[in-house]
Amino acid sequence: GEDVEQSLFLSVREGDSSVINCTYTDSSSTYLYWYKQEPGAGLQLLTYIFSNMDMKQDQRLTVLLNKKDKHLSLRIADTQTGDSAIYFCAESGGSYIPTFGRGTSLIVHP
Amino acid sequence: EAQVTQNPRYLITVTGKKLTVTCSQNMNHEYMSWYRQDPGLGLRQIYYSMNVEVTDKGDVPEGYKVSRKEKRNFPLILESPSPNQTSLYFCASSGTTNNYGYTFGSGTRLTVV
Repeated sequence: GEDVEQSLFLSVREGDSSVINCTYTDSSSTYLYWYKQEPGAGLQLLTYIFSNMDMKQDQRLTVLLNKKDKHLSLRIADTQTGDSAIYFCAESGGSYIPTFGRGTSLIVHP
Repeated sequence: EAQVTQNPRYLITVTGKKLTVTCSQNMNHEYMSWYRQDPGLGLRQIYYSMNVEVTDKGDVPEGYKVSRKEKRNFPLILESPSPNQTSLYFCASSGTTNNYGYTFGSGTRLTVV
């Protein structure tokens, strides 16, 4: 079946950029997503990119998609302590039911 | 406000005592799913539904039941809970337009003793 892989942890200093990477296997992926989960809360859709796009920018967030390598990344500029959370990569193909990665815990330290 | 509402938020129960976790969405979404979240394992899909009376198994359906009698509701039923079902559960819904991104509920933390 489809698989979505991402590293489990990322630690950055406040003010630096964070880059969270994700790889997926489903070549029929239509939409790719980034979700954020803050402590004690549900997942919140941060941003998404359609598979025919290479890049999407939304304020401090930049999503890059390399469809050939099936690689998705989320860059957070000027990372703040409030960005500390778990970030989930997800993709949906023909079934429109997302497959999630295991999540990357982003730790932002002063 | 557009939302997915799960109840209860917290539940402690004993092995074998049937329980239901309710999920309701007010966005007229077709797709609904249940996930469990466990440390180190991420989100695993239990069941999903693509519309009323249409449900299908996800990756970890054993020990769970669902029903979709109305579009807005998608309850998760544990007929005979066991300690290995202790977990954080999330309900989510999505429409068939735009980006199909899921809206998640706030979660139900279940402990089975």
